[in-house]
Amino acid sequence: EVQLVESGGGLVQPGGSLRLSCAASGFTLSDQYMDWVRQAPGKGLEWVGRIRNKANTYTTEYAASVKGRFTISRDDSKNSLYLQMNSLRTEDTAVYYCARASGTRYSSSWHWYFDYWGQGTLVTVSS
Amino acid sequence: DIQMTQSPSSLSASVGDRVTITCRASQGISNYLAWFQQKPGKAPKSLIYAASNLQSGVPSKFSGSGSGTDFTLTISSLQPEDFATYYCQQYNSYPLTFGGGTKVEIK
Repeated sequence: EVQLVESGGGLVQPGGSLRLSCAASGFTLSDQYMDWVRQAPGKGLEWVGRIRNKANTYTTEYAASVKGRFTISRDDSKNSLYLQMNSLRTEDTAVYYCARASGTRYSSSWHWYFDYWGQGTLVTVSS
Repeated sequence: DIQMTQSPSSLSASVGDRVTITCRASQGISNYLAWFQQKPGKAPKSLIYAASNLQSGVPSKFSGSGSGTDFTLTISSLQPEDFATYYCQQYNSYPLTFGGGTKVEIK
């Protein structure tokens, strides 16, 4: 059974840092792309960023709103995904979800869609 | 960035109703479109990928269609457990983007 369990959320002051973790089980992490998605209180879903798999040299993509402040990393040997958040702002307050992305090949390209989600961890940025 | 627009933003329906939600992309995304269901206080659940393919374990009362810029999610016979918010999402290009959501409420 695929499971994703986030941890590390909490209360942090503006300008502070926080590191979220996502523990994966039930599948081979190194094969998958992994993403972070967030949801501000009462709002919709917002994609934060992605880290590709080992075959694609763990390269990353980020939303413009977090680029330069957030860093996604992974340790496949520990079946874990991470989100390092620096220079936090009040607008970063949200539930943060990790999500697994599975790939399908169409013509000559691969496309990656979300299939499993964690339960989320709440990050509150406030003084 | 590709903008995803869902309509309606909310709807009221009765148990047994057939419900259709639409999602429009600001530019063509082929069939790289997914749908998610989210209940209050819970994580999103993946329903459909590639516009019309059901995720494993998702009941066949859910169906998706469309290609290019216009997509639909249909629930054939609404049941109490289907009252939730539904989101579409494109994965054709970065940044990945979601629609604003459609809240399905009990009439």
